[in-house]
Amino acid sequence: EAGVAQSPRYKIIEKRQSVAFWCNPISGHATLYWYQQILGQGPKLLIQFQNNGVVDDSQLPKDRFSAERLKGVDSTLKIQPAKLEDSAVYLCASSFAGSGYEQYFGPGTRLTVT
Amino acid sequence: QKEVEQNSGPLSVPEGAIASLNCTYSDRVSQSFFWYRQYSGKSPELIMSIYSNGDKEDGRFTAQLNKASQYVSLLIRDSQPSDSATYLCAVNTHGQNFVFGPGTRLSVLP
Repeated sequence: EAGVAQSPRYKIIEKRQSVAFWCNPISGHATLYWYQQILGQGPKLLIQFQNNGVVDDSQLPKDRFSAERLKGVDSTLKIQPAKLEDSAVYLCASSFAGSGYEQYFGPGTRLTVT
Repeated sequence: QKEVEQNSGPLSVPEGAIASLNCTYSDRVSQSFFWYRQYSGKSPELIMSIYSNGDKEDGRFTAQLNKASQYVSLLIRDSQPSDSATYLCAVNTHGQNFVFGPGTRLSVLP
């Protein structure tokens, strides 16, 4: 079974530029999550989708971050404009309904904002 | 603000010993509890989930949950150098509001 796919793996941008990350969850996983993990900290949930609906986006900085999951499969997370403090690893995870929300993570995208 | 707390470590144990990792959480209605392992530069990988009070064993790992004390722990028996990693505790309520702790760094000394 293929795991969660993410791209790109690394991205370096200047502040005020925009960036987008892509995630493809494990086949059949209806729930998809985006996390931000700053070095030395635990992952922080940004947004959770159930199919193509948003379940939780309470910690998403909506003035600069946006996410979509139009067909209930792939998802994109966008930052516009980026700030220095957005430098982090962005993790995508997915879970299967009925699995007790056990999440499986992709390899992550390391973002550096200069 | 829901919180999950863990000792940051590092926790150092000799090879073959039992490593004990602890986690406390603030939200009394939390329902699901997870332990993840994260190697340096890698993404978290699920070790165990636990949903009801008591112990749950899987190989060398045992998760313990005490909802009255809002406490969950992970025991690693016969610790190996390959267990050296950061261990993350995660908690959720009704399938949302996922909160991760800061992680405890474990070092198993040969």
